[in-house]
Order: sequence, then structure tokens, then C-alpha cells
Amino acid sequence: ETGVTQTPRHLVMGMTNKKSLKCEQHLGHNAMYWYKQSAKKPLELMFVYSLEERVENNSVPSRFSPECPNSSHLFLHLHTLQPEDSALYLCASSQDRAVGELFFGEGSRLTVL
Amino acid sequence: GNSVTQMEGPVTLSEEAFLTINCTYTATGYPSLFWYVQYPGEGLQLLLKATKADDKGSNKGFEATYRKETTSFHLEKGSVQVSDSAVYFCALRLTSGTYKYIFGTGTRLKVLA
Repeated sequence: ETGVTQTPRHLVMGMTNKKSLKCEQHLGHNAMYWYKQSAKKPLELMFVYSLEERVENNSVPSRFSPECPNSSHLFLHLHTLQPEDSALYLCASSQDRAVGELFFGEGSRLTVL
Repeated sequence: GNSVTQMEGPVTLSEEAFLTINCTYTATGYPSLFWYVQYPGEGLQLLLKATKADDKGSNKGFEATYRKETTSFHLEKGSVQVSDSAVYFCALRLTSGTYKYIFGTGTRLKVLA
């Protein structure tokens, strides 16, 4: 496999469920990102991991919990979400956090009922 | 603060028409500028980039010139095709040493046969 792979592509969950989104990059990059894409809004940066250390958290609610066990894998753990959290969640990677463009996965479409 | 402003869509054109999507930015220092494209059901892909003033980025017939004097990075294509139908995002990355990418809200392009 090449590029950035996200699973699942679609997820429907109730507000009391716990689920996780997974991202894997096969590009040898050192930085990985979670973005939230909602209709008619700019992409919102949620988390950045560089060399497996979290370096940014833009005041994201604690019901979103990231995990980065190594430089190739990134998870977003979800629990007690709200309907307004329904969105497309995009994972991206870059060579490192200082240079290079972002390479995105295809996204995980989340619907919270 | 730092920001990216794009023209609101949707933009609807006939095949072979000329395309311009306007993008202006506000940023400290000398940002790098990018255009990303998102085809239906997919993540964002880098279309072109420019890293310093007067640079022209180009790819697949699309072009954009980094204009520092007008703080703009307008996307152009001389003859659009139906396959160009997508959402186009203008973005900037602040001066080197940072991972902060700032995206516009996106402009949807629809090309009719």
C-alpha cells in the first residue's frame, strides 16, 4: 500500500458509543495530523504528532483522544460524542513538521446519532 | 491574525471555459502558498505550490502566481474539463519551522459538458 490510509471510511455511532479511527502512512514521514472537515468551514486542525510526541492541541474537546504509537500510525479515539461532531475526519502526514506539503488520506465520514 | 480568503462557490462553467478562483491571504512573514483539490469522496491532494514571491506553481494545466504586493495566489486554468469538477482549497504554511497550515473554506467547481 502507498500513501495515507484511513479506516473505517464510514462510521455511524450513538452518543454513548466508543469507537476509534485509524490512520496509517507508508511515506516515511515524521509528522501526522488529524483535521476535521465540516461543511462551509475551513479545515480545523485537531492534533499534530511529530516524532511520536504531540505538539499541538487546538482546544479540542476531551471526547476526542489521539494516540500515536509510532511514526506510521495514528488513532483518534472517540467517546460520548455529540451530533455536532458529525464531519469528515482527515488524517495527513508530512515529511516533518517544518517542511513539506501535507499528504491526506481519503477521510473517515463520521455520523453521530 | 493569519487567514486565507477564497471566493465563494459554487463556480459553474462550461467545458473549455477559462477558470479563475481568487485567493487572498493575511500572514506574518513569508508564507508558502498551496492549492489543494478534493475530488468527490476523496481526501485533499496537493495541486500546486509556491514558496516565495513571484514564484509560479503549475500542474495539470493549472497555474497560480505568488503575488506578495497584492497578497494573492489566484488559481487559473485556460480550458477546464468535466473531470476538473471538485472542491479547491487555498492554503498557506507560515514561515519555516512551523507546522501551521491555514486553509480557506474551499470553492466548489462544477464543469458542464
